[in-house]
Amino acid sequence: QSALTQPPSASGSPGQSVTISCTGTNNDVGGYNYVSWYQQHPGKAPKLMIYEVNKRPSGVPDRFSGSKSGNTASLTVSGLQAEDEADYYCSSYAGSNNLVFGGGTKLTVL
Amino acid sequence: QVQLQESGPGLVKPSETLSLTCTVSGGSISSYYWSWIRQPPGKGLEWIGYIYHSGATNYNPSLKSRVTLSVDTSNNQFSLRLNSVTAADTAVYYCARGFCSSSSCYRFQFDYWGQGALVTVSS
Repeated sequence: QSALTQPPSASGSPGQSVTISCTGTNNDVGGYNYVSWYQQHPGKAPKLMIYEVNKRPSGVPDRFSGSKSGNTASLTVSGLQAEDEADYYCSSYAGSNNLVFGGGTKLTVL
Repeated sequence: QVQLQESGPGLVKPSETLSLTCTVSGGSISSYYWSWIRQPPGKGLEWIGYIYHSGATNYNPSLKSRVTLSVDTSNNQFSLRLNSVTAADTAVYYCARGFCSSSSCYRFQFDYWGQGALVTVSS
């Protein structure tokens, strides 16, 4: 069982927005601003989409945004495109030099 | 462009030691944190540990008793050893680099990843 809880699936039509949640505790998501989000296409390595809750690395479209409220972080994908269909994983620093991941959410573009 | 490539045996017997090496090309191994992350088939990600170019290490508490990371800066490589493996250690093993922004370098946020190496534990 993963340390962070994500919904197994999410979906939306092209052009719509979808939000994926990532719920932890005061000891990880709620305690630090070190939440990241990764996109993983089948058979590929994960790709960093969001770091430090809401920052985008160079090259990541601004359609991807992150936020946090209490022990829950969220990834929002706006203007859904077919290529956004993938698995998404959140991660959080958990103190004591440890990192935890969520179980992943499969995003389907209808 | 930085590239990472995992290498090592794809099949390991139960109770033996899993060994993988990550070769970094297109950039120096210095000044970054380097991690191993694994993903059992059809499941989520699990961080194993990181090593700094200086050799300083840190491990996931759940694996700490069985994991050793090492670095070879002269060959731009770092390595993973996981001993006493069981079927539960069957996974795709990724090596990854800690992300550096314009202002900070991070231990736990990863921008470059290897393609992954499937390691199966079976007799």
